[in-house]
Amino acid sequence: DQQVKQNSPSLSVQEGRISILNCDYTNSMFDYFLWYKKYPAEGPTFLISISSIKDKNEDGRFTVFLNKSAKHLSLHIVPSQPGDSAVYFCAARDQNSGGSNYKLTFGKGTLLTVNP
Amino acid sequence: KAGVTQTPRYLIKTRGQQVTLSCSPISGHRSVSWYQQTPGQGLQFLFEYFSETQRNKGNFPGRFSGRQFSNSRSEMNVSTLELGDSALYLCASSSQPDGNYGYTFGSGTRLTVV
Repeated sequence: DQQVKQNSPSLSVQEGRISILNCDYTNSMFDYFLWYKKYPAEGPTFLISISSIKDKNEDGRFTVFLNKSAKHLSLHIVPSQPGDSAVYFCAARDQNSGGSNYKLTFGKGTLLTVNP
Repeated sequence: KAGVTQTPRYLIKTRGQQVTLSCSPISGHRSVSWYQQTPGQGLQFLFEYFSETQRNKGNFPGRFSGRQFSNSRSEMNVSTLELGDSALYLCASSSQPDGNYGYTFGSGTRLTVV
């Protein structure tokens, strides 16, 4: 049962345009969401996060939107740059009743290609 | 400031053998998590340690185990290796006990089981 889904395995955009990466989740106990970027042969790099009590968080060119009713979040990159080409992972933290909310559940990633 | 260091970077083992992977977190980080990344399954949570205590464990068989030392360094061990254990094993550390502000990942250990 995949609790975090990134339904688009890949996305291609032109440099300077907006990239929108989507993520859906099924577990209503998720309370914190994170986006990571991963280049080949490197570990994931933390990009931006959002708490479930917010609907938007912005950091430079990166903005994450959270729609709790739809259990959907998205990462917007504006403007997109060739250096943004990487695999982007959506992750969620579970505030389970046991309080051991220290694990992240990841989606399978979306490969973003930004063309010059 | 040094990042998360994982050793070795690459490893080739034979089925049935065991393997130990090492992770040194960022100085001052006390939470260390391990993930397995495979092409078909993405990143899957293995376990998380804080102050030498395992606080959470993913859905992996008992062949996968880990520990954390007093200096926060962590090791994971896989016994009786199977071909399906071939993967990139990632370690992540956090300065916050609850993982707020994200985890910093190492570059991983690429394990190939033949």
